[in-house]
Amino acid sequence: AQRVTQPEKLLSVFKGAPVELKCNYSYSGSPELFWYVQYSRQRLQLLLRHISRESIKGFTADLNKGETSFHLKKPFAQEEDSAMYYCALRGGATNKLIFGTGTLLAVQP
Amino acid sequence: EPEVTQTPSHQVTQMGQEVILRCVPISNHLYFYWYRQILGQKVEFLVSFYNNEISEKSEIFDDQFSVERPDGSNFTLKIRSTKLEDSAMYFCASSKAGRNTGELFFGEGSRLTVL
Repeated sequence: AQRVTQPEKLLSVFKGAPVELKCNYSYSGSPELFWYVQYSRQRLQLLLRHISRESIKGFTADLNKGETSFHLKKPFAQEEDSAMYYCALRGGATNKLIFGTGTLLAVQP
Repeated sequence: EPEVTQTPSHQVTQMGQEVILRCVPISNHLYFYWYRQILGQKVEFLVSFYNNEISEKSEIFDDQFSVERPDGSNFTLKIRSTKLEDSAMYFCASSKAGRNTGELFFGEGSRLTVL
């Protein structure tokens, strides 16, 4: 079965501190992994995807197939990073996304 | 920048009533989706729609649910006889492609409250 686990409901850090939002997945094949972000009162939007291997707003995420993880990292958090972050998986012949429960990142001044 | 738009933003209905949630996907997109999020829970896939037919649906999407693209621009989700547990935020999304570069663009959601 396809599953995405985000163990932390809330992650609170101070501005300038490093951030790591954890995501683990369960899927037997080769998945596509994504991070979506939802800022306050805004819509869900794509932050980054593993196939792009890019850095968006200072965030990076590396797919670790051995650990079945796709953790989201940023070396220095900013207050404007405060948002809900969702890890999502798409696998096989399907085009549906399986979402994790989300982690609320709160960056304190 | 084009966006997915959804109406209404909030609907309150009585149990047993029919509800139609409307979505206008981005105009050159080919794949359309409905997801829902019950308060405090994860975003869950309901259904995907391509080439005027359902391409995939979840276990949640039972006979009470239906989708339609009545006029080439709107994409609707109908719940025939609402139950209390249908109370949730319903998100419409669209994408150019189903996989690979198929980034999903989401609407702002329609909050459904069933009393």
